[in-house]
Amino acid sequence: DAGVTQSPTHLIKTRGQQVTLRCSPKSGHDTVSWYQQALGQGPQFIFQYYEEEERQRGNFPDRFSGHQFPNYSSELNVNALLLGDSALYLCASSFTLSGWYDDEQFFGPGTRLTVL
Amino acid sequence: AQTVTQSQPEMSVQEAETVTLSCTYDTSESNYYLFWYKQPPSRQMILVIRQEAYKQQNATENRFSVNFQKAAKSFSLKISDSQLGDTAMYFCAFMIKSSGDKLTFGTGTRLAVRP
Repeated sequence: DAGVTQSPTHLIKTRGQQVTLRCSPKSGHDTVSWYQQALGQGPQFIFQYYEEEERQRGNFPDRFSGHQFPNYSSELNVNALLLGDSALYLCASSFTLSGWYDDEQFFGPGTRLTVL
Repeated sequence: AQTVTQSQPEMSVQEAETVTLSCTYDTSESNYYLFWYKQPPSRQMILVIRQEAYKQQNATENRFSVNFQKAAKSFSLKISDSQLGDTAMYFCAFMIKSSGDKLTFGTGTRLAVRP
């Protein structure tokens, strides 16, 4: 079992650019959540995808968008990058059974995004 | 809104000794989960231990145990027989059971285990 994987590991962009981060969930998982972890802070919930739809969303602007594919993998897109978007982006996967949420999330190693 | 507070930014412990990390939370919900996650320098967040709010018995996982005080909204983590591999950031996290698996994290405690 490969666990949760994320790509790329590191990324450097300039202000105003767009970025796409990718996540493959743990085998058997169908739900993907994305978190932003600024330096020295705890992760902040961005949004969650289930059945290819955004199920819930945190307090992030519309510049942050996502997608989930039929194989349950997911992308996080950030448009018009700001310096403040520099952070570690974590993907977590879990399993939802008939609307009953599994309480355990498995995290990937994250993508370190630096915006210059 | 739910909040999680970790008041100890940094802690240090001698190898083989015991250390306790503090966490308090605020919620009006009655049905929720609490977690401690470990984040080593490799960055991968690893679940250490979890507690369901309706269970009065404190959770234990090998050298890790919690002191869950529901009325006080306190959820501390005790690490016994500390090992060098325990050196990491530790995050307390909260999840309302009815809202799915959205986690609310504290700001973390950096634990250093000294040889």
